[in-house]
Amino acid sequence: AQSVAQPEDQVNVAEGNPLTVKCTYSVSGNPYLFWYVQYPNRGLQFLLKYITGDNLVKGSYGFEAEFNKSQTSFHLKKPSALVSDSALYFCAVRDISGTNAGKSTFGDGTTLTVKP
Amino acid sequence: NAGVTQTPKFRVLKTGQSMTLLCAQDMNHEYMYWYRQDPGMGLRLIHYSVGEGTTAKGEVPDGYNVSRLKKQNFLLGLESAAPSQTSVYFCASQQIDGYTFGSGTRLTVV
Repeated sequence: AQSVAQPEDQVNVAEGNPLTVKCTYSVSGNPYLFWYVQYPNRGLQFLLKYITGDNLVKGSYGFEAEFNKSQTSFHLKKPSALVSDSALYFCAVRDISGTNAGKSTFGDGTTLTVKP
Repeated sequence: NAGVTQTPKFRVLKTGQSMTLLCAQDMNHEYMYWYRQDPGMGLRLIHYSVGEGTTAKGEVPDGYNVSRLKKQNFLLGLESAAPSQTSVYFCASQQIDGYTFGSGTRLTVV
C-alpha cells in the first residue's frame, strides 16, 4: 500500500519570505514523488517530480523539493514567496514497482496563502 | 496539443437523472483516471484504465460506471444521480511519470 500525508491544511507566509509545504509518504518499494498545484477553479498542474538521481529537484515557477529517504519526506520549498504562489498544493506518490497500475496516491492538499 | 479535455465543464442534474462525462486525451497515454474532489477530502479515485478496453475500480466506484472503447477516450457515467455525487470531477492521463489533468467538470445534483 502507498500513502501520503500533508500535515498542514494551511500555510501562511509573507511575500518575499521562504516557504515550505510538507509531505511525507509511505510505499513498499521505491517511490516516484510529485507535486501538483491547483489554482482556483482550475485543474491540477504538474509542478515537479522525483524519479531518481539528485535529492534536490527543481521545478516550475522557482519551486524545488528535497527527497529525504531516511525521513520519507518530500517537502516543497521556494526561497522567496510571491502573492501569485497562493494556491492549493498536492503531494503524490507512486510505487516504482508499478504494482498499483501507475496509480498515484494524493495527499489531502495544503492551501498556501502568501500575504503582501 | 490540447492535452486532456473534459466535457461538459458544468452540469446541474436532478436526482435520478443520468449523464456521461467525457474525457479525451491526445497524448497517446495508456493510463487514464477519474477522480472526484470534495472540500477537505483531497482527490479520490473513482475508476481507472490501464489501456483500451480495460477498466478497474478505484476507492469510491459505487454509483459510477466507465468505459474505454478507444484509447483516447475515457467516459464516466452516472446511471442515477444522487446529491452525494455533487462534486468536481477530474480526468487525468499518464504515460510514465506524472499526470496531466483536465480542467474539471463541476456537477451539482439537486
